[in-house]
Amino acid sequence: EAQVTQNPRYLITVTGKKLTVTCSQNMNHEYMSWYRQDPGLGLRQIYYSMNVEVTDKGDVPEGYKVSRKEKRNFPLILESPSPNQTSLYFCASSLMTSGNEQFFGPGTRLTVL
Amino acid sequence: EDQVTQSPEALRLQEGESSSLNCSYTVSGLRGLFWYRQDPGKGPEFLFTLYSAGEEKEKERLKATLTKKESFLHITAPKPEDSATYLCAVQNNFNKFYFGSGTKLNVKP
Repeated sequence: EAQVTQNPRYLITVTGKKLTVTCSQNMNHEYMSWYRQDPGLGLRQIYYSMNVEVTDKGDVPEGYKVSRKEKRNFPLILESPSPNQTSLYFCASSLMTSGNEQFFGPGTRLTVL
Repeated sequence: EDQVTQSPEALRLQEGESSSLNCSYTVSGLRGLFWYRQDPGKGPEFLFTLYSAGEEKEKERLKATLTKKESFLHITAPKPEDSATYLCAVQNNFNKFYFGSGTKLNVKP
């Protein structure tokens, strides 16, 4: 089944404790992206990647890191999480770099205490 | 600055009562305008892509249209199962995406 998977789905952590949220897609998509969704603010793009080893900042990259060493995986890293990073995170992928619909993962709900 | 504004924030309709959702946008080179549906606790689900002014696309009770400044999602004779949050997004020339904050639609039987 074609899908985008994220792990974990739920995570409660404390300020400053490094964490990684994994994202994987099995559709051989070129473009992958991370978003955070907050009430009233909608989805905001954190980072995106147009291909292996190519990543770019989205609208809200501060406090996050990403890497794209393989085409299928695009992990999101929070080196030192803070409470303002408490949010619902979505990973997405699309076949081509531009003009194609994105397929979204199920989301990761992160709480930073 | 690229941005997307959706209105209204929330919309309550009776079953069968047609209406339209609005998406106004400013973008530095439009690569595509996208409509998604999002159910509570789930990731957005793709509905339509529009590429140029004048384009229209239809799917069941939904029809999306595009001008140079806005897009409309027309819902004809909605059913309770159409209740969801509808999201509009644009992709710009730098391949970045910008989403609106969505319209929460509630269709009552």
